[in-house]
This record gives sequence, C-alpha cells and structure tokens, in this order.
Amino acid sequence: DSGVTQTPKHLITATGQRVTLRCSPRSGDLSVYWYQQSLDQGLQFLIQYYNGEERAKGNILERFSAQQFPDLHSELNLSSLELGDSALYFCASSESTGANYGYTFGSGTRLTVV
Amino acid sequence: AQSVTQLDSQVPVFEEAPVELRCNYSSSVSVYLFWYVQYPNQGLQLLLKYLSGSTLVESINGFEAEFNKSQTSFHLRKPSVHISDTAEYFCAVRNSGNTPLVFGKGTRLSVIA
Repeated sequence: DSGVTQTPKHLITATGQRVTLRCSPRSGDLSVYWYQQSLDQGLQFLIQYYNGEERAKGNILERFSAQQFPDLHSELNLSSLELGDSALYFCASSESTGANYGYTFGSGTRLTVV
Repeated sequence: AQSVTQLDSQVPVFEEAPVELRCNYSSSVSVYLFWYVQYPNQGLQLLLKYLSGSTLVESINGFEAEFNKSQTSFHLRKPSVHISDTAEYFCAVRNSGNTPLVFGKGTRLSVIA
C-alpha cells in the first residue's frame, strides 16, 4: 500500500456521461498530480494541485477539470466522455513541489467508456 | 519542453542474464532523473533516482542507473535478472523548479525462465 488511495478502481460508463475520480494523497503530502496512461500516449501529465491551488496544467482537455479540497483530497471530473477517454488514470502525491521530491502513485482508476 | 525517450518498447531476457534498459532525455541545464517500475495491475513505484552527487545510483533490489550528462542518458542496468523483475519500467525526468515529471513511454521487461 503506497498510501495514496484512488477510488473507484474500475469504472465503466457510456459515451457522453460524466464521472468523478477521487484521490486521497499520502499523509503529509500537499501536492497532488493527475496522469492519464494509455497504450498509445503513455503517461501524460494532466494537472497538479498544491495545498488547494492549481499549480501546473498539462495536456488536460477542456472537458476535464479537477480540484483539491481543504482536506487535501482531489477529484478529477471527466465529462462528455468519448471512447478515446478510456485509460488508466493515476493520482500521485508528493510532500512539496520541489523538483527533488519523488512522487508516490496510487494504484489507478481504470476507466472504460463504451 | 522536456522529453524522454525509451528506445526499447519491449526487452525479453533470460533469467540470470544481464539487462540494460535505455533512457535518453532532452538536454537541460539541471535535471532530476527517476526510474519507476509498474507491476501488472499496480501503480508506479519509485525504483531509484538521481538528484545530484555520484552519477551511479542503486536500488535495493540490484538495479543501478548511471547519469551521463554528455550523452543525456540515464540507462538502467541489472547484472542478473529474476522472474520477479518482469514489469514495465518508466524513465522520468524533471527540471528544477515546479515542473511536473515527464515520463518515457515505458519498456516492458519480460524475464524468461
């Protein structure tokens, strides 16, 4: 157990729907990162939050949004889902934002859009 | 923007043989380098990292990687692999400051008995 908790582990939904993925960071970690892992694109950085504030944005679609709450858990919202959104979504956390801090990853949420 | 190239998508190797997984990154003034391992149906786990100092870094399970600034490489090696090393290995790089980790596309290591 890495200490980063992601729920749900699996999610199957239809095109056009909206889902919410949840992440609880490791105790003491203030920074949360979301990544999308697909076979063709590999691991793509989506977005980062630090202590409730957005800090960096990557290849995140406008249909996707995220937030980090006062208790530091984070949610990734995916709307108007398309077949191509099927992927593994990982959350990672780190103690701070410095480049020398490694990430601790959760076990991921596998999203299947049908 | 920073990028990472893992030259081999799949590497099959016999048990107890040596292995090298290659990783090159785009040049930058200062970088921090990481190798992560992903076992089937699991998240990524940090294997080892280079932050500064000695260019050779080691993990607890026998892997090592060497930072080569002139060749912008951070290849991962193990002198003798085990069946349990079968997994996907990701090289990642981060510049100084608050830039997120950038990952390579991964190398699937398959150890054959």
